[in-house]
Amino acid sequence: GESVGLHLPTLSVQEGDNSIINCAYSNSASDYFIWYKQESGKGPQFIIDIRSNMDKRQGQRVTVLLNKTVKHLSLQIAATQPGDSAVYFCAENTNNAGNMLTFGGGTRLMVKP
Amino acid sequence: DAMVIQNPRYQVTQFGKPVTLSCSQTLNHNVMYWYQQKSSQAPKLLFHYYDKDFNNEADTPDNFQSRRPNTSFCFLDIRSPGLGDAAMYLCATSRDRVQETQYFGPGTRLLVL
Repeated sequence: GESVGLHLPTLSVQEGDNSIINCAYSNSASDYFIWYKQESGKGPQFIIDIRSNMDKRQGQRVTVLLNKTVKHLSLQIAATQPGDSAVYFCAENTNNAGNMLTFGGGTRLMVKP
Repeated sequence: DAMVIQNPRYQVTQFGKPVTLSCSQTLNHNVMYWYQQKSSQAPKLLFHYYDKDFNNEADTPDNFQSRRPNTSFCFLDIRSPGLGDAAMYLCATSRDRVQETQYFGPGTRLLVL
């Protein structure tokens, strides 16, 4: 069967609170970043992206912040809902690597009602 | 309005018995990708097609092959599945190969007996 996977870091928040999921990326040449949400048994779902010429980008209830100095990316979810419970992956892309994405390890978000 | 479709959603095969997973897309995207995802891990790219050009990742085992007969369809062939190949297999597409968002299908979970 499947090999045992790594233990995912878990963030547990109360419904209605804001959530912040962090990601440290590895390649200083990366210039495009994507956050994906993956619910159990489903494929990753695009949430939001940001290019390196921006520090912040907002979507509906979500904000992505990019700090290139320390190679850090964060996803903020406002008023977290039970439907936000999932594993969240950041992915980085380097212009000279075509469209190949390098995924971070993932964070499991658990929303308590 | 499914955009990336994978069939079947669940596949059971026997050790050593060839198996084929299929992916189709309605987005008319040029690029199609195959990823392997094991439990609690990030997706791992196996290979991708840019139009008809096949691009294999260096560490993808020879046991994994792919076919893309037309723009809409892409197949993953596992010639002799081993127990370690049990995983979720994800298909993704992107419009082009330069910093484009990848859209994932729901995945096929493969069980090897």
